[in-house]
Amino acid sequence: NAGVMQNPRHLVRRRGQEARLRCSPMKGHSHVYWYRQLPEEGLKFMVYLQKENIIDESGMPKERFSAEFPKEGPSILRIQQVVRGDSAAYFCASSPLSGSSTEAFFGQGTRLTVV
Amino acid sequence: QKEVEQDPGPLSVPEGAIVSLNCTYSNSAFQYFMWYRQYSRKGPELLMYTYSSGNKEDGRFTAQVDKSSKYISLFIRDSQPSDSATYLCAMSETGANNLFFGTGTRLTVIP
Repeated sequence: NAGVMQNPRHLVRRRGQEARLRCSPMKGHSHVYWYRQLPEEGLKFMVYLQKENIIDESGMPKERFSAEFPKEGPSILRIQQVVRGDSAAYFCASSPLSGSSTEAFFGQGTRLTVV
Repeated sequence: QKEVEQDPGPLSVPEGAIVSLNCTYSNSAFQYFMWYRQYSRKGPELLMYTYSSGNKEDGRFTAQVDKSSKYISLFIRDSQPSDSATYLCAMSETGANNLFFGTGTRLTVIP
């Protein structure tokens, strides 16, 4: 049973470019969460999605960031016009169908570097 | 004031020692409490989770939650070099959604 799969593992973008981060949840999981980990800081919640729905985006920056989880395919976190401050590790987590589940399983992360 | 406070360490102990890791928090609405282990350049791995107050044991690991003091702990018995990692506490009001993480405590177990 494969875990949460994220790709790419490393991504380098120049300032002003777009970054697309992909996350495939564990088999049978329909809840996806995105977190960002800045150097020397804890993980910060960004967004919670179910298939075709954004449930909670209270942690998403108001501009340039968007997320989706289509009916088919992986969840995508998109960052437009990246800036140096976007450099961080971005982690995706998933949890099972049950909405009361407290077990969120994390992927290996995508390390974004903006140059 | 941060929602979750965690001593960053680093913490070094000899093999076989008992390790105590702690977090405090300010939001009394938190009900779900978790501990994750994160190896360098890897994703967080769920170790323990607890709902509300009380203790939970799993092998060499024991998690404790004291909601009256807003304080949670993770104990590791008979620590091993393979336990060397960063340990993150996390908590939330509603389960897996919107977890608030501590900054992590870096642990090194010396053979």
